[in-house]
Amino acid sequence: EVQLVQSGAEVKRPGESLKISCKGSGYRFSRYWIDWVRQVPGKGLEWMGIIYPGDSDTRYSPSFQGHVTISVDKSTSTAYLQWSSLQASDTAMYFCARHESGEPAADWGQGTLVTVSS
Amino acid sequence: AIQLTQSPSSLSASVGDRVTITCRASQGISSALAWFQQRPGKPPKLLISDASTLESGVPSRFSGSGSGTDFTLTISSLQPEDCASYYCQQVNSVLLTFGGGTKVAIK
Repeated sequence: EVQLVQSGAEVKRPGESLKISCKGSGYRFSRYWIDWVRQVPGKGLEWMGIIYPGDSDTRYSPSFQGHVTISVDKSTSTAYLQWSSLQASDTAMYFCARHESGEPAADWGQGTLVTVSS
Repeated sequence: AIQLTQSPSSLSASVGDRVTITCRASQGISSALAWFQQRPGKPPKLLISDASTLESGVPSRFSGSGSGTDFTLTISSLQPEDCASYYCQQVNSVLLTFGGGTKVAIK
């Protein structure tokens, strides 16, 4: 069974750093892109970027380029999304998902809620 | 980046009604469009890929059509469990994008 299991909810202060994770299992991790998607409370889905674990090829939405970093550790089948300096506007649910090139994501993580508040 | 404009942003319909949601791309994307359903507090669920291919287990009252820049998601007979938000997503470009979403409610 394909599973994407994300790390737990986080509460942080503005300016702090954070790294959340998404662990894949039940499939060959290196062969599927991992997406990160943001959802601000009460708002729509925003596609942030993707990484291909096979060669760490990473692409970012222009809206998120420079504000977050996506990375991967193939040895543990885990993808990461990190911030060096959080802002209150980063408060959101973050989902990871996996997809093949040219196909939409059929498998999603459960989401990680990040709350940034002073 | 390719932009997707979804309409309406919300709708209210009666059980049994036919519901149509549209998604327009800023440039041609062939049939590289998917539709997702999202219930509150849950991750999105893939309903339709390749503009019109129904995913396994998705009720046949859902259908998708279109190609190029104009796409449609239709629910032929709205059911109470269809109360959710619906999103289109283009997968034509390596930089993916979502439409703004449509919230469907029951009258």
